[in-house]
Amino acid sequence: GENVEQHPSTLSVQEGDSAVIKCTYSDSASNYFPWYKQELGKGPQLIIDIRSNVGEKKDQRIAVTLNKTAKHFSLHITETQPEDSAVYFCAAAGNQFYFGTGTSLTVIP
Amino acid sequence: SAVISQKPSRDICQRGTSLTIQCQVDSQVTMMFWYRQQPGQSLTLIATANQGSEATYESGFVIDKFPISRPNLTFSTLTVSNMSPEDSSIYLCSYDRGALNEQFFGPGTRLTVL
Repeated sequence: GENVEQHPSTLSVQEGDSAVIKCTYSDSASNYFPWYKQELGKGPQLIIDIRSNVGEKKDQRIAVTLNKTAKHFSLHITETQPEDSAVYFCAAAGNQFYFGTGTSLTVIP
Repeated sequence: SAVISQKPSRDICQRGTSLTIQCQVDSQVTMMFWYRQQPGQSLTLIATANQGSEATYESGFVIDKFPISRPNLTFSTLTVSNMSPEDSSIYLCSYDRGALNEQFFGPGTRLTVL
C-alpha cells in the first residue's frame, strides 16, 4: 500500500515568515494530493489540493507544489499569521486516502 | 461542500459498554468513511460505508467491534462495541464528493473510555 511521510513534525515560525511542509509518497498510482488543517477540537478542513496533472497551485497565501517524478509535494504558507497555527496533514490518494503523520505549526506573534 | 455533523461531540464511557456515533450530511453523498484519530496521531481509516451494502473494513478493524450502518444517502452510524481504554480516540466521519475524490470531514467525536 501507499506510504506517506511528512516533515517536519513540528514547526515554529515568526509571524510574517513563511512555512514549508513536505510530504513524500511511494505509490505512483496516487493522483490526488490534498492538504488539511486541523485546529484544536475540530475536524480536518481541506485547505488546498493538487492533482497529478498540475505542478503547482496557489490560493492567496497558500500554495502547493508537486513533483511526480520524485514523488514529493509541499505546502507553502507565506506571510504567516497566528491563526495559521494548527496541525496540517498531507494525504496521497488513488483509490484510498493515505494521510501523513501531521505537522504542528506554531506562528509566534 | 455539504455540511457534515456528528453526534455526540464528546463522551466519557465505562469499559465494556458501547457507543453509537451518528454522522449526518445535509445532501446526498455516495461514499461515507469512518476514521479513528488517536491522541496526537494521524487519521486511520476504519471502514467505507456505501448505502445499500455492507461496510468495507480496513485491516485491523472488524465488524463485531465497529458495526456500521448506512441506511440512506445522508446518514451513517458507527458503533464502538465493548469498549476498553484503548478505544479512547477521536472518531471522524467524512464523505467523498464522487469522482472529484475530495473528502470532507465532520467535527469529530471525542471518546474517552474509563
